[in-house]
Parts: sequence; structure tokens; C-alpha cells
Amino acid sequence: GNSVTQMEGPVTLSEEAFLTINCTYTATGYPSLFWYVQYPGEGLQLLLKATKADDKGSNKGFEATYRKETTSFHLEKGSVQVSDSAVYFCALSGSTDSWGKLQFGAGTQVVVTP
Amino acid sequence: ETGVTQSPTHLIKTRGQQVTLRCSSQSGHNTVSWYQQALGQGPQFIFQYYREEENGRGNFPPRFSGLQFPNYSSELNVNALELDDSALYLCASSPDLGVGYTGELFFGEGSRLTVL
Repeated sequence: GNSVTQMEGPVTLSEEAFLTINCTYTATGYPSLFWYVQYPGEGLQLLLKATKADDKGSNKGFEATYRKETTSFHLEKGSVQVSDSAVYFCALSGSTDSWGKLQFGAGTQVVVTP
Repeated sequence: ETGVTQSPTHLIKTRGQQVTLRCSSQSGHNTVSWYQQALGQGPQFIFQYYREEENGRGNFPPRFSGLQFPNYSSELNVNALELDDSALYLCASSPDLGVGYTGELFFGEGSRLTVL
């Protein structure tokens, strides 16, 4: 079946540091890939997405590229802020028959200190 | 535009009891999905309702059941509660699953259930 593996946290960074969160997946066919973010006390919000190989999703300074050859979708940000402290989830949707039925990774907590 | 709202936000039950959680989908959305998020884990798909019919189910026992109403709001019912059912239950809505939909879900803030 489909699965998502992401790096364990917590990841602790200083403000303005570079952030990478690794995400790899296992899926048949051509899944769509997502990064969701959960700020303290809030629900999950879509951060970015990519629906086909080599697509790059970007939002709020975050980027991730859909790499089919390495089955990866790593999240990056060049200069983090304290407000980026949150839990980040990588997720996939296996096919159009699976719309809304996301497979999530375990989440990576990011803590950014001033 | 009103987002996804869930109720109650917190509740405590004892083992063996039953619970009903409620979700109002975002305006214009006809699909609701429910997820269970245990502490420190990613959300796990429970089931989805599309136009009032169940449209897929994850690996959860039959004591987890649901409904979707004509206004597209939804309920999640859990019977015979077990300690392991303690979790954050997330509802997510999405627009019609037809042409043009690219998979985004809009989540509520969740209902935190504690089973003692």
C-alpha cells in the first residue's frame, strides 16, 4: 500500500537558518503530493502541493519538488522565522480515485528560536 | 466564507460509551473526510462522504460510523469506546471531486476525545 516517511523531529533552528525536511513515499502509479502545516492550536493547512513529476510547489517561501526517480518531496525554506514554528506533514493522494483520502507521514516538529 | 467547524472541541468519555462528533463543511463543499490523529502521529483516514454516500473507508472497525446530511454537514459516531480511541478527530471538506479538483483538503481544528 501507499506510505509516507518523513524525518523525525524536533528540528530546532535559529532564525534565518536554512530548513530541509525530508519526505519519501511509496505508491503505485502517479500520486499527488502535499505538505500540510499545523500551527499550535490550529487545524492543518495546505502549505503546497505538486500533482505530477518534476512539478515544484511553492508558498510562503517554502518549496518542494516532486522527484519521481527518488520518490521524494523534500520541503525547503531558505531563511526561517520564529513564526514558522509548527508541525509539518508530508502527504500523498494515490490517484484521482483517492481524492481526499490522504496518506500522511508522522509529522516533523520545527522549532525556530530567535 | 465560513471555514470547517467542528464540535465539541474537547470531550471526555469512559470506556464502553458512545460519542458523536459533528462537522460543518466549508461553504460550497460537498465532500467530507474524517481523520484520527493520535498524539505525536500523522492523521489516519477513517472515511469519506461524498454527496451523502460513503465514498471510501480506511482501516477502522465498524464501530466507527458516519453520516452526511443534505446540507453536507457530517457526523462521526464511535460506539463501544476503547482507550486507544483517545485522539484528535479531524474533519476536512473539499469541493466537488470532479474535473478541476486537485486534492486539497480544508481542515477544521478538531475534536479532542479522551477515553478514560
